[in-house]
This record gives sequence, structure tokens and C-alpha cells, in this order.
Amino acid sequence: QVQLQESGPGLVKPSETLSLTCAVSGYSISSGYYWGWIRQPPGKGLEWIGSIYHSGSTYYNPSLKSRVTISVDTSKNQFSLKLSSVTAADTAVYYCARQTTNQQNWFDPWGQGTLVTVSS
Amino acid sequence: SSELTQDPAVSVALGQTVRITCQGDSLRSYYASWYQQKPGQAPVLVIYGKNNRPSGIPDRFSGSSSGNTASLTITGAQAEDEADYYCNSRDSSGNFVVVFGGGTKLTVL
Repeated sequence: QVQLQESGPGLVKPSETLSLTCAVSGYSISSGYYWGWIRQPPGKGLEWIGSIYHSGSTYYNPSLKSRVTISVDTSKNQFSLKLSSVTAADTAVYYCARQTTNQQNWFDPWGQGTLVTVSS
Repeated sequence: SSELTQDPAVSVALGQTVRITCQGDSLRSYYASWYQQKPGQAPVLVIYGKNNRPSGIPDRFSGSSSGNTASLTITGAQAEDEADYYCNSRDSSGNFVVVFGGGTKLTVL
């Protein structure tokens, strides 16, 4: 059974960099699939942040591209998100998920999510 | 267009059938996937591809698509189906861009 678990600081100061890691168990990232980050501001909908292929190719939401870096560490079976120059608008629950995409796209399974608050 | 449009709220009487829709240009090229999200929980995939249900999802959930509209149908809605539902697809630009609908709050009366 594939499981994902997000980890990282729950509080980040404005203008700093948000860093999160998603640990994957029950499946080897190097075996395939895309791996994605999605966020959800309090009381709002889901927003795709970006995805990484097991080979390391990355794809980002155009609206966040200038601030986002996603990387993968196959030796630790995890992938990471960095979001720079954060503001209060980046306060959200951040989810990681395994992604299948070609002529269709879906995320399954998802991590439980981690709340990141941007505040001084 | 990179947008997927959903009705903000829909209600259904217990045991009745409800359809939740998702509109967008990208749905002419890509199938939508659907997620159920209950308060304080992560989204759960309920429909993917043409009309596929992950293991453990009741068969009262089904998906369909016509033109630029994808639909999630719940046949015989149960109290536990009350949740937010989100559609998801690739963007129609041909680039690797993923989009979500704004979500539909389903109330079971």
C-alpha cells in the first residue's frame, strides 16, 4: 500500500522560503510515476503547484513557476518542495500525491496534508 | 482555457440521484478525475479516466463526459456522501499544466 507523508515547518516568515518534504513508502519513486504537490488555502479550493517525474523532469504551475522548485531524492524515496518569497497568500494546507497523467490526469493516493502558515 | 468551472453548491435528498458537473475546454481532450473531500481530510479519488473507480469506492459513484462537460453522478446518495467534490484535468494548451475546478459542496438532505 502506497503511503505519502508530508513534513516541514508549520510556520514560515514572510519573504522566506517554504520547504516541505514528502516521504513515500510502499513504492519506489525510481520505479515510475509522477509525483505532485497541491495546496489548499483555508476555506478555498485545490491548486496544483507542480510535479516531478521519477527521472527528475519538473513541471510547474505557470502562476507559481518563478518561485517553485521541486526535486526528488530517490535514495531516500522522497521528493521536496521549495517555495520562495512567501507571503500570507501562501498560507495553505500542502498535500503531496502520486500522479498519473497522459490523456487523463489523476492524483492517488494523497498525503494527509500539512498546514503551513506564513506570518511574522 | 485553463479553467474548470463547477457549481459552488448542490443538494440532494437522501437516496436520490445527483449529478455534479465540471465544464472546461480541456475536457474536450482530457478525461476529468473527481475527488471527494470531507472536512479536515485529504481529498480522495473517486473517479478517474473514462469511468473508473478506485478500489473501495462504492459503485453508486460514476463518471461521464460529453463535449466540454464532465459529470460525476451519485446514484442513491447517502448521508456520508456529503462533502466537497473537485474535478481535475490537464490544461488544453498541450503543455504540462494541471487544473482543478473550484469545487462543489454537496449537501444530502
